[in-house]
Amino acid sequence: GAGVSQSPRYKVAKRGQDVALRCDPISGHVSLFWYQQALGQGPEFLTYFQNEAQLDKSGLPSDRFFAERPEGSVSTLKIQRTQQEDSAVYLCASSFPFFSRTDTGELFFGEGSRLTVL
Amino acid sequence: DAKTTQPTSMDCAEGRAANLPCNHSTISGNEYVYWYRQIHSQGPQYIIHGLKNNETNEMASLIITEDRKSSTLILPHATLRDTAVYYCIAGGYGNKLVFGAGTILRVKS
Repeated sequence: GAGVSQSPRYKVAKRGQDVALRCDPISGHVSLFWYQQALGQGPEFLTYFQNEAQLDKSGLPSDRFFAERPEGSVSTLKIQRTQQEDSAVYLCASSFPFFSRTDTGELFFGEGSRLTVL
Repeated sequence: DAKTTQPTSMDCAEGRAANLPCNHSTISGNEYVYWYRQIHSQGPQYIIHGLKNNETNEMASLIITEDRKSSTLILPHATLRDTAVYYCIAGGYGNKLVFGAGTILRVKS
């Protein structure tokens, strides 16, 4: 696709429900990042994939958060037993590998999935 | 990643240059300065980045001081559509970006 696509754009969940958020990165992009953005704050890093390998998950706030990218393209962020503090916009970004001579190092972000937990 | 400090908000008149400062006094030698902006309800958008030299592209110019402890993003002719939150980030090339709170730029007619 032309850009990073995220779905659903909006999700309302009852406290305790499980949710899954999908990210379709730009075709061919090796790196994929997930961020969480609370209202009025800057995005906070959650986790990073290079192809299918999850190289950094230091930002995941608890073991209720799980991310996967099994075939090195589409990624899913799963939140189990959602809590009200999980309400936020979840942003996905992708980028070329750093060794590409045409790469600026920029991250291409999707429009995000807004999760509201009631 | 080095921490950055930016003013909370700034105003700019439409058509004038917007100069957004950023302090990154603890930046290390291999860290780049990246600028992104986020318009309401959208994901962040890359603007420009640099290591040591000043940089210019179709969107903006980036001026980095010789000691690399601070930088300024310049939007030469701000328009109402440039109203957004602007993030200055110091980080390694290809690494995760650590966002701060950014600067809210309001362009006024």
